[in-house]
Amino acid sequence: QVQLRESGPGLVKPSQTLSLTCTVSGGSINNSDYYWNWIRQPPGKALEWIGYIFHSGITFSNPSLKSRVTISVDTSENHFSLKLASVTAADTGVYYCATMGILAAEGRWRGFDPWGQGTLVTVSS
Amino acid sequence: DVQMTQSPSSVSASVGDRVTITCRTSQGVDRWLAWYQQKPGKGPRLLVYASSSLQSGVPSRFGGSGSGTDFTLTISSLQPEDCAIYFCQQTHSFPWTFGQGTKVEIK
Repeated sequence: QVQLRESGPGLVKPSQTLSLTCTVSGGSINNSDYYWNWIRQPPGKALEWIGYIFHSGITFSNPSLKSRVTISVDTSENHFSLKLASVTAADTGVYYCATMGILAAEGRWRGFDPWGQGTLVTVSS
Repeated sequence: DVQMTQSPSSVSASVGDRVTITCRTSQGVDRWLAWYQQKPGKGPRLLVYASSSLQSGVPSRFGGSGSGTDFTLTISSLQPEDCAIYFCQQTHSFPWTFGQGTKVEIK
């Protein structure tokens, strides 16, 4: 079964770019049944969906972050990545990658499953 | 954005008790709501999708119901391994949004 693992620096300086990678194992990122997502959770706050990418390269992001977010995919390496520019302390939190499936019969979204275990990113000088 | 309000924020119950968690959305989302379980140090786990469909492998003591703006996750007989944080998420419209979470503890 598909497993996801986030990797990247745990500390980023303010105004710099946060970069994370999600490595997919147990399945292909070319699977057309899945959309590949980034989600984050600031301390003490609710989860926030950041955006997704499809294996073809189509992306869609949360409008609240869209101007700072870049999501890319490397199908040869079976991973996808997140870049978040101009970070501030408000971007501190646990970052997750997760798969969103489709309910084909209804043409609707199923839910995020599976998720990676998450990686803590702290923005501080 | 669709705002999600979960209640209670925490609940303490005995083994075998029935536990109910509610999620209210600021706009109607039909039945497009999912529930997740999260244990410390782990990524969340999908329990229920489309309001009432149980994800494969999830014990049958978990159940979901509701449509429109009001939804419920029920644990029919609480087990020690159910200690976790539970949260809801709407899959109806972008951006996808989550509830704040409900912490379930054993008395």
